[in-house]
Amino acid sequence: QSALTQPASVSGSPGQSITISCTGTSSDVGLCNCVSWYQQYPGKAPKLIIYEVTNRPSGVSNRFSGSKSGNTASLTISGLQAEDEADYYCFSPTSKTSLRLFGEGTRLTVL
Amino acid sequence: EVQLVESGGGLALPGESLRLSCTASGSGFTFSRDWMTWVRQAPGMGPEWVANINQDGSQKNYVDSVKGRFTISRDNAKNSLYLQMNNLRAEDTAVYYCAGDGFAYAMNVWGQGTTVTVTS
Repeated sequence: QSALTQPASVSGSPGQSITISCTGTSSDVGLCNCVSWYQQYPGKAPKLIIYEVTNRPSGVSNRFSGSKSGNTASLTISGLQAEDEADYYCFSPTSKTSLRLFGEGTRLTVL
Repeated sequence: EVQLVESGGGLALPGESLRLSCTASGSGFTFSRDWMTWVRQAPGMGPEWVANINQDGSQKNYVDSVKGRFTISRDNAKNSLYLQMNNLRAEDTAVYYCAGDGFAYAMNVWGQGTTVTVTS
């Protein structure tokens, strides 16, 4: 099964908002409200920033928000800051025997 | 503070075996309560989910590419997670992370990773 589809890159200026999409199928993203999102800096482990589509773990900025419509989940980062420059990955369970899938990843550049 | 520390990575020839370990420590994390996961990331690539295991070790799931070669296990008494990797291939070269599934279908605690390099 292929990785979930994300744009390779997005960019925005400080203070702006950006949205990263994560497109799958009814067998993964559309299966349940289970999509999570991870932020990763080079050479570091991923960090959970959104779980169950819309929930933020304790300590994650409320500038990060998630949503889902059908087979596409989205991560929105508002009030962009330089520190948001990182790679972002979505993640979803699938209907295939407990397989889990990451998205292809999106490189966010803060201009 | 919760900490997951991986070990056991290194250099291996194709066909050889390695065993990765991940030990949990710190307050605020009850190892035995959560599903645990191994995730790997090949150089320059995105993360790939490899395997997970439920709280008592009775359920184990694997990505197709490692089925029959890798075995995930855990020892709750030692707060430890393992990944036995047999018949290694060049495509198994990656940083391997252990992670705790503190939320349903989401990994909220991660180790720093251990590097596995498979080359002849």
